Amino acid sequence: AQTVTQSQPEMSVQEAETVTLSCTYDTSESDYYLFWYKQPPSRQMILVIRQEAYKQQNATENRFSVNFQKAAKSFSLKISDSQLGDAAMYFCAYRSRTGGGADGLTFGKGTHLIIQP
Amino acid sequence: DVKVTQSSRYLVKRTGEKVFLECVQDMDHENMFWYRQDPGLGLRLIYFSYDVKMKEKGDIPEGYSVSREKKERFSLILESASTNQTSMYLCASSPGPGLDEKLFFGSGTQLSVL
Repeated sequence: AQTVTQSQPEMSVQEAETVTLSCTYDTSESDYYLFWYKQPPSRQMILVIRQEAYKQQNATENRFSVNFQKAAKSFSLKISDSQLGDAAMYFCAYRSRTGGGADGLTFGKGTHLIIQP
Repeated sequence: DVKVTQSSRYLVKRTGEKVFLECVQDMDHENMFWYRQDPGLGLRLIYFSYDVKMKEKGDIPEGYSVSREKKERFSLILESASTNQTSMYLCASSPGPGLDEKLFFGSGTQLSVL
C-alpha cells in the first residue's frame, strides 16, 4: 500500500515571501501521479498542481512549482510571492496509474499554511 | 465545469440514527468516492465505486455502507450513527480509465453525532 507523509503540520510565511511544503511518499510502483490540493476555509478542495512520474520536468503553475525527486520519493511544493489568498490546508496526494484511478487518491495529513500580512 | 453536489453542508444527528449522505455529479463520471476528513489525519477513503451497483471498501469502511443505483448518485449510509463518526465527509468523482486523472470534490458535509 502506498503512503504519503507531510511532516509539517503547520507553516507560516510573510506575505510576498517564498515557502516550501514538504511531501514524501512510499510506493513500489514506477508509474503514478502526484498532486497538491488546496483546501481554503470554504472547504472546497482545489487542485493546485499535478506531476506525472514519468516526466522528469518539474510541473509549474504560475506561482506554484514542485521539486519532484523520484529516486528520493519526494514531492515538495514551492509557493512564490505568497499572497493572503494562499492561506489554506495543503494536501499532497498519490495516485497509481494502473486501475484507471478507480481506487482514488492516497492523501497526506495536510499542512496548514498561514500567511502573515 | 464539473459539479459535485453534496446535499447538506451541515448535519446534526443523534446516536443510533440511520444517516444518509447524498452526492450527485453531473459529468457522467464512472468513479465516485467517499472520504472522511479529520484534523491531523487528512483524508481517508471510506468506500469507492467504479460503476453502477459496484462498490469497493476503502481504508476505513467499518460502520458505513454505500449505494450507487444510478451513475450520477453515490450515497453514504451510517446504519447506526455513533459519536466517533462526527467528522467532515467529502464526496469526489473522476472519469474512467485514460481520462482526467484528478478528483473533483464536493464542498463537504460536516456531520455532528450527539
